[in-house]
Amino acid sequence: GAGVSQSPRYKVAKRGQDVALRCDPISGHVSLFWYQQALGQGPEFLTYFQNEAQLDKSGLPSDRFFAERPEGSVSTLKIQRTQQEDSAVYLCASSQQGGQPQHFGDGTRLSIL
Amino acid sequence: QQPVQSPQAVILREGEDAVINCSSSKALYSVHWYRQKHGEAPVFLMILLKGGEQKGHDKISASFNEKKQQSSLYLTASQLSYSGTYFCGTAQTGNQFYFGTGTSLTVIP
Repeated sequence: GAGVSQSPRYKVAKRGQDVALRCDPISGHVSLFWYQQALGQGPEFLTYFQNEAQLDKSGLPSDRFFAERPEGSVSTLKIQRTQQEDSAVYLCASSQQGGQPQHFGDGTRLSIL
Repeated sequence: QQPVQSPQAVILREGEDAVINCSSSKALYSVHWYRQKHGEAPVFLMILLKGGEQKGHDKISASFNEKKQQSSLYLTASQLSYSGTYFCGTAQTGNQFYFGTGTSLTVIP
């Protein structure tokens, strides 16, 4: 597709459930970022991929968060045993190379009840 | 690690100018600027890669003072469409990318 695609757009889960969020980056983009954005705040860095390699996961808030990009294109962010504080918009962005302009998807709005 | 932006919020009338500042306590290697409208994803505006570099895009331009670890975004003759939250973003050591604290800009008729 022409842009970054994220699915689902909205996800409601009960506390304790596992969720999986998908990101389909722009074709050919090497770099992929995941961000968490709380209401009224700026995006906060979670993790970075260069092709299939996860080069930085320092922003993942706990070991309940896991991200992968096995074939260097589509990426999945998984959150296990969700907590209410996980409620946020999760944004994915891709760029041609590290340091280049980032193109964002519309995000997944996650609500934990 | 998160760059600090000022002002936090600004209200302009159409046609007025504004300056948004971004300051980092860490060395800046590059600065990105993005605009995010309510309920939408951030949209890339421009990137500055070298100290002292200035870039312009229509009536929006930016400067980057590497020595002072600062960048400024200049909006001239503001239009209603300029309303949104502006974020600077910087690459840090490793591969982290940090967005600034954000500046809410509202342009009124």
